Amino acid sequence: EAGVAQSPRYKIIEKRQSVAFWCNPISGHATLYWYQQILGQGPKLLIQFQNNGVVDDSQLPKDRFSAERLKGVDSTLKIQPAKLEDSAVYLCASSLLGTGEALHFGNGTRLTVT
Amino acid sequence: AQSVTQLGSHVSVSEGALVLLRCNYSSSVPPYLFWYVQYPNQGLQLLLKYTSAATLVKGINGFEAEFKKSETSFHLTKPSAHMSDAAEYFCAVSEGTGFQKLVFGTGTRLLVSP
Repeated sequence: EAGVAQSPRYKIIEKRQSVAFWCNPISGHATLYWYQQILGQGPKLLIQFQNNGVVDDSQLPKDRFSAERLKGVDSTLKIQPAKLEDSAVYLCASSLLGTGEALHFGNGTRLTVT
Repeated sequence: AQSVTQLGSHVSVSEGALVLLRCNYSSSVPPYLFWYVQYPNQGLQLLLKYTSAATLVKGINGFEAEFKKSETSFHLTKPSAHMSDAAEYFCAVSEGTGFQKLVFGTGTRLLVSP
């Protein structure tokens, strides 16, 4: 089975610019997650989708971050405008519906904001 | 809300020695518990998970973990370390109600010396 695909792998932008990340989950996985992993820390959940509906976005900085999951499959995460503190790895994960299911992670996008 | 504490940001062992990575959790309901491993520039890979079946859980690459409710712990062990085990390890907890939300610890970097 194909894994979670993410692009791009690396992105360097200047502060106040905008950036978008793309994620394609494992086929059939209803739940999709975006995590932010700052260097030296554990992943922090930004937003969680169930099909194409948002389940949890309580930690998403909504003044600059947005995410969508059209048709309950692919997802994009956007930052506009970026700040220096947004430098991190952005991880996308997916899982089957239901609690107790393991998350399957993509390789992430490493964002550097200068 | 659930949370995870990983004691020790770095653990150093010699090749062939016992590996012990500590994880304590906090949850208001019976939890699901996970250990993930992250190699450089990669996403997280599931090592093992506890979902209220057997308290001793065996995972990939010779790792295992024991759920101890009285101690609210889920420590990860491996009898004999291998050089290839050097990586970052994350413990995560999910409460077994509603939509699954996985909360990660801050991680423990395992260093293996020859």
